[in-house]
Formats: sequence, structure tokens, C-alpha cells
Amino acid sequence: DGGITQSPKYLFRKEGQNVTLSCEQNLNHDAMYWYRQDPGQGLRLIYYSQIVNDFQKGDIAEGYSVSREKKESFPLTVTSAQKNPTAFYLCASSIKGRRNYEQYFGPGTRLTVT
Amino acid sequence: ILNVEQSPQSLHVQEGDSTNFTCSFPSSNFYALHWYRWETAKSPEALFVMTLNGDEKKKGRISATLNTKEGYSYLYIKGSQPEDSATYLCAQNSGGSNYKLTFGKGTLLTVNP
Repeated sequence: DGGITQSPKYLFRKEGQNVTLSCEQNLNHDAMYWYRQDPGQGLRLIYYSQIVNDFQKGDIAEGYSVSREKKESFPLTVTSAQKNPTAFYLCASSIKGRRNYEQYFGPGTRLTVT
Repeated sequence: ILNVEQSPQSLHVQEGDSTNFTCSFPSSNFYALHWYRWETAKSPEALFVMTLNGDEKKKGRISATLNTKEGYSYLYIKGSQPEDSATYLCAQNSGGSNYKLTFGKGTLLTVNP
């Protein structure tokens, strides 16, 4: 079945360590996104990529980095520069080129940094 | 950053009740309005995408309307069932891009049997 996978479901790290969250899709979608959810807040866009080898900062990109070397994969690295990394992270994808696209979401990764 | 507001924040209804909630958004630079359903322990799932003023969409017992001139969308659920319990998110395409979405905080619906 086509879909988006994120791994792991739960991730624990010590403060000061970089950590990479995985996102893979087999929907043949061109666009991919990373969102962050914090309690009491809406989903906030971290980074998005419209095509391989290209990506743009979202609204809260500071302390994060991404790569898009393959169409299927869009890993997110949470660096030690991110001041409040503990959060729930969602990856999504969509078909490119349609104004009325919908986004397909993965199951999310809950990151806890202590 | 666009301000997308949803109300109420949470809602409890009895099985069989009909209910509705609101999404408000800036009416300038409008591209599209999305509704998603997010059940606990699952991924958000797209319900509707609407682009034109006056759009109405329906999927089973759930329907949505769009008013782009005044900047609001309503989501209606007819005859709520316990399986409708979820957080309902709305999101707007940011002006100038076909890709970015700005999400509201969601409405948490609980349907009691």
C-alpha cells in the first residue's frame, strides 16, 4: 500500500546531540513537508521541498536542517541549536503542481530531549 | 504569518446530535482551504479542499462550506457517531505559494455514546 512512513515512533536524546528523523513516501509525490506540533498550538511548518535537491524554510526553520537527495526521502535533522526540540514531528507529502492539492501525513515521531 | 482561527476549541456532543464548527482566515491572498480529521494515534486525514467562494463539499455525514469574501468555513457533522471523535483541523494556503499551509489549532470533538 502507498503511504508515508516515519521512524522511529518515539525518540529520546540528550541535550546537545543532533538527531535525524526519517520520512519516506512511496506515493510518487514531488512535494514533502515537515511540521511540528506543540501542546495548544496548530501544526507549524519547519521546512518543505517541492522537488529533489530543493527545499525552502518554513515558519520555524531555526535549529533544523533537511536534505532531499531522493524523491522518496526527506529526513529532518534537529540540531543542538534548536532551543526547544521536544515536540511531535509530522511529515507530509503532496502532488506537485495542483493548487487544490491535499497533504498526506505520516504517523509522526515524538522526540524527547532531556 | 497568516492567522487561522478555529472555534470552539473543544466540543462534546451526544451520539445522534448534529454539530458544526468554524474556521476563520484572512480573506486576502486566498488560495484554498483544507479540512483534515485527526483521530488519536492516527495520521491526519484530508476531508475537503475548497478553492472557490460558495464551495460546498460533502462526504457521507460530513459537509463543509466556504465563504472567501468574509473569510470563514463551516464544517458540519450530521448525526454524530462515536467514531467521529477526533480533532478537526483547518488550514489555508499561504498567499504566493501553492504548497505552504497554515493550520489552525483544531477543534476537538468528542461524541458520547
